[in-house]
Formats: sequence, structure tokens, C-alpha cells
Amino acid sequence: GAGVSQSPRYKVAKRGQDVALRCDPISGHVSLFWYQQALGQGPEFLTYFQNEAQLDKSGLPSDRFFAERPEGSVSTLKIQRTQQEDSAVYLCASRGPRGANVLTFGAGSRLTVL
Amino acid sequence: TQLLEQSPQFLSIQEGENLTVYCNSSSVFSSLQWYRQEPGEGPVLLVTVVTGGEVKKLKRLTFQFGDARKDSSLHITAAQPGDTGLYLCAGNTNAGKSTFGDGTTLTVKP
Repeated sequence: GAGVSQSPRYKVAKRGQDVALRCDPISGHVSLFWYQQALGQGPEFLTYFQNEAQLDKSGLPSDRFFAERPEGSVSTLKIQRTQQEDSAVYLCASRGPRGANVLTFGAGSRLTVL
Repeated sequence: TQLLEQSPQFLSIQEGENLTVYCNSSSVFSSLQWYRQEPGEGPVLLVTVVTGGEVKKLKRLTFQFGDARKDSSLHITAAQPGDTGLYLCAGNTNAGKSTFGDGTTLTVKP
């Protein structure tokens, strides 16, 4: 596609439920990033993939957070046993050719945990 | 931990006024970027600055990278309501990871 597509755009979950957020990056983009943006704050790094390899997951807040990109294209961020503090916008970004450090973001998935 | 501090946090001005927002860090970055984010959307890249002391202009927007590559400023001339949004700076490392500040929320009133 022409841009980064994320789904669902909005998700309401009850505390304790599992959620899965999907990201379709720009076709051919090797690098994919997940960020978490709480209300009134800037995006915070969660994890980074290069193709199917997860090269950095240092930003994942707990072992309830898990991300995968099995075929090096679509990525899924899974949050198990959601808690209220997980409420945020989850942004996905993909990056083009090496040397051009330009992130293209999707519109985000807004998660509200009740 | 590399932290980027942006100031002011909020700025509300009248159409036609000039403004400057700042992005400061104690760390050196290989490059620094400015993004604008509108409600319900992801951040959109405005500019990348790489060289210390670099100045880039984008229509009414002027971006400056500090000599030591630790800080940056964004100046908007004759602001318009369409400039309203959240302005984020992001510092990049050689590893390609971007660290964002918390942004400046700009409101331009007609």
C-alpha cells in the first residue's frame, strides 16, 4: 500500500483481556518499529524489526507485551492480560532504504482498557 | 537514557504571530528530526537536520540544529491556523533508533 496501515483503529478491552494490534508497513520497507504514545506525551519506543528479526525489544514494558513479524512484512503487537496502564495509542512505523532515516507512521491503534 | 526536552509544552497564539519552540538534550545525536502530529494521526516528518549549525527552511518554518548537535529549534513565521498541531522532535542514533520528546502543542487562533 501507499502508507502504513494499522488495525483496529480503536479497541476497547476489559482489564485482563488479550489484544492483538496489526501493522501493514509500506511494501518493501525492511525496518518496522512499534511505539507507545500515552496521552499528552511523545511516542516511546517499544521494539524494532529488520525483516523478520526482532533486533531490539528493550522498550517492551513487561513480558505481557509480545511482537512478531514472521514473514518480514505484517507485524502484530500482542498484549496479554491488559491493564489500565496499557491504555495508549500504539503507533507503527516503517523505514525505507538504508541511509534514509525516515520513519513513516501509521495512524495508530487507540487502546482503552476499562 | 537519552532524553529530549521540548519547550514550551503548550503554546497558543494568534494568526500572524511568530513563534519558536525548542528541543534540548544532554546527548549528542547523529541527526535530529522534527515531526508534526495532528489528532488521530501518526507523526509526519517535517525535516531532518544532520550537521551541527545546520539551518533548513521549509516555507514559513525554519529549523536549526545546534553546533554541538544536542539541541534544535523550530521557528514559524506568520503562523496560520493550519499550523496547529503537536510538534515533536526526535533524536536519532547511529543504530537507527529514534527517541522522541513529549512535544509542543501549538494552537493558532484565527
